[in-house]
Amino acid sequence: DVKVTQSSRYLVKRTGEKVFLECVQDMDHENMFWYRQDPGLGLRLIYFSYDVKMKEKGDIPEGYSVSREKKERFSLILESASTNQTSMYLCASSSIRTGIISYNEQFFGPGTRLTVL
Amino acid sequence: DQQVKQNSPSLSVQEGRISILNCDYTNSMFDYFLWYKKYPAEGPTFLISISSIKDKNEDGRFTVFLNKSAKHLSLHIVPSQPGDSAVYFCAARTNAGKSTFGDGTTLTVKP
Repeated sequence: DVKVTQSSRYLVKRTGEKVFLECVQDMDHENMFWYRQDPGLGLRLIYFSYDVKMKEKGDIPEGYSVSREKKERFSLILESASTNQTSMYLCASSSIRTGIISYNEQFFGPGTRLTVL
Repeated sequence: DQQVKQNSPSLSVQEGRISILNCDYTNSMFDYFLWYKKYPAEGPTFLISISSIKDKNEDGRFTVFLNKSAKHLSLHIVPSQPGDSAVYFCAARTNAGKSTFGDGTTLTVKP
């Protein structure tokens, strides 16, 4: 059974703290993604990765960084958390068929609800 | 510039009737379209997809229609069931591999 897990379901942090969100997939997928979901704004892509040590900016990368040291793990880092980063964070993964073209659907983790006070 | 739009934030239908969820896109480079379903406190799950070379794809109670000239796709659920109540996201993909999501439509199916 396909599985994407995220390290925490709920997280409360203070402004200025460094925050790590971890995501692990067990499907040997090449692609991994980080999104945030906000009411009325849908799913917005923060960063994605095609392979180990590779990363690409998504639509809203400001204030975030990522790390992919192993194929199965993709970390999202908030260097200095701010209140406008309070959100639901969703990790996803997908496989590729040829090259970097991905035809397959994304598999999502359960999400991390982050609150920054 | 929002490339994928779901103009109806919510939809309410009676059990047994048809649910039609709509999605419009602007980027003609999108070559693959997907629908995801999301329950509260869970991540989205893949529901059904369609390639840009097709105009219809059916899977049980779910059918997706694609009108390329109008840059419009729709998801039909027949018959609708209370368990279908969820947020539905439309997504469009280019051959670069990443998907662009719409804002979602909350479907409520009343018993």
